[in-house]
Amino acid sequence: DSGVTQTPKHLITATGQRVTLRCSPRSGDLSVYWYQQSLDQGLQFLIQYYNGEERAKGNILERFSAQQFPDLHSELNLSSLELGDSALYFCASSLREGSGSYNSPLHFGNGTRLTVT
Amino acid sequence: EDQVTQSPEALRLQEGESSSLNCSYTVSGLRGLFWYRQDPGKGPEFLFTLYSAGEEKEKERLKATLTKKESFLHITAPKPEDSATYLCAVRIDRGSTLGRLYFGRGTQLTVWP
Repeated sequence: DSGVTQTPKHLITATGQRVTLRCSPRSGDLSVYWYQQSLDQGLQFLIQYYNGEERAKGNILERFSAQQFPDLHSELNLSSLELGDSALYFCASSLREGSGSYNSPLHFGNGTRLTVT
Repeated sequence: EDQVTQSPEALRLQEGESSSLNCSYTVSGLRGLFWYRQDPGKGPEFLFTLYSAGEEKEKERLKATLTKKESFLHITAPKPEDSATYLCAVRIDRGSTLGRLYFGRGTQLTVWP
């Protein structure tokens, strides 16, 4: 058990809808990362937060947004959903920002499987 | 463009048949190479971090090594429970990339009895 908790485990929704995915990082971890995993793309970095602030953005669509709350849990909001958004969405956490803390691996939750119909 | 390439895409081994998985990278500013194991329907599980060429780390039947351009994950006398997808990732700390990991597509390992 990595200590990272993601809810829900599964989500089935229709095109055009909006969903929220939730992540609780490991106790003590300040950084949260969101990744998308699809069969044809592998693990793709979406966005990173550190202690409540956005720190880095990857290939995140404008329809997607995220935030990290004062208690350090994070939410990923996906709106105007399309069939192509169906994927596994993973949250990961680490103790510190990456820069200067190269020995801090990311610990992943078990993901939310999103199916858009 | 930064790239992480894993080979082979899939590997089938008989129990006890040792082999190696490859991860080659073309990045600048490498700040660590990470190996993860991922079981179906689960999140990646951290295995090793390597920081400099020549470094080696071991855990049970797994041994990871690093050169300037690639890393190998050696599996000695594998068992069926070693079946999983093995992911390689690099950390590049420059500019806005901060702590993110860039992942390869993985090697799907199947070990049959």
